[in-house]
Amino acid sequence: DQQVKQNSPSLSVQEGRISILNCDYTNSMFDYFLWYKKYPAEGPTFLISISSIKDKNEDGRFTVFLNKSAKHLSLHIVPSQPGDSAVYFCAAGYGNKLVFGAGTILRVKS
Amino acid sequence: DGGITQSPKYLFRKEGQNVTLSCEQNLNHDAMYWYRQDPGQGLRLIYYSQIVNDFQKGDIAEGYSVSREKKESFPLTVTSAQKNPTAFYLCASSIWSGEGELFFGEGSRLTVL
Repeated sequence: DQQVKQNSPSLSVQEGRISILNCDYTNSMFDYFLWYKKYPAEGPTFLISISSIKDKNEDGRFTVFLNKSAKHLSLHIVPSQPGDSAVYFCAAGYGNKLVFGAGTILRVKS
Repeated sequence: DGGITQSPKYLFRKEGQNVTLSCEQNLNHDAMYWYRQDPGQGLRLIYYSQIVNDFQKGDIAEGYSVSREKKESFPLTVTSAQKNPTAFYLCASSIWSGEGELFFGEGSRLTVL
């Protein structure tokens, strides 16, 4: 039972363009959402979060959008840089429970 | 500088052997977690601990055991009862449980021969 789904296993984007990573969830109890970035052979690092009371949160080149009615969130990276190439995990949580998606591999081509 | 240290980074084990993965943090975080990552799957929670001398099973605790005798340390033992132990194991901590921002270690890759 995958409560958090990242349906695109990979995404390839040209440097300077926008990267959009998507995430869908099924459990309406989730009230906070996060994105993590992971380089090979390293642990994930926290990127950006959003609580269910907001629909947008921005941090520099990274913006997370939340559509509660659609149970969908997305991460926008603009402009994309080669150093952004990594695996991106979305996660959704409530209380002590945090559920991760399977990840999307982003490749930014220069 | 503060962080989470996992060791060993790579570990090979014969079938039937128990193995213990170390996780130490100097962030003064109350909560610690163990996750397992398999290809094509998200991080799945094995065990978590909100406070010293207390821990809770996660979604896939069978075949694993943990202890939390010190705030800084949360070792994970992969026992011979774990049917598919070959995986990448990640330890994490957070200021308190329910605080979504987790700080992860670099991971330990366990291979069963």
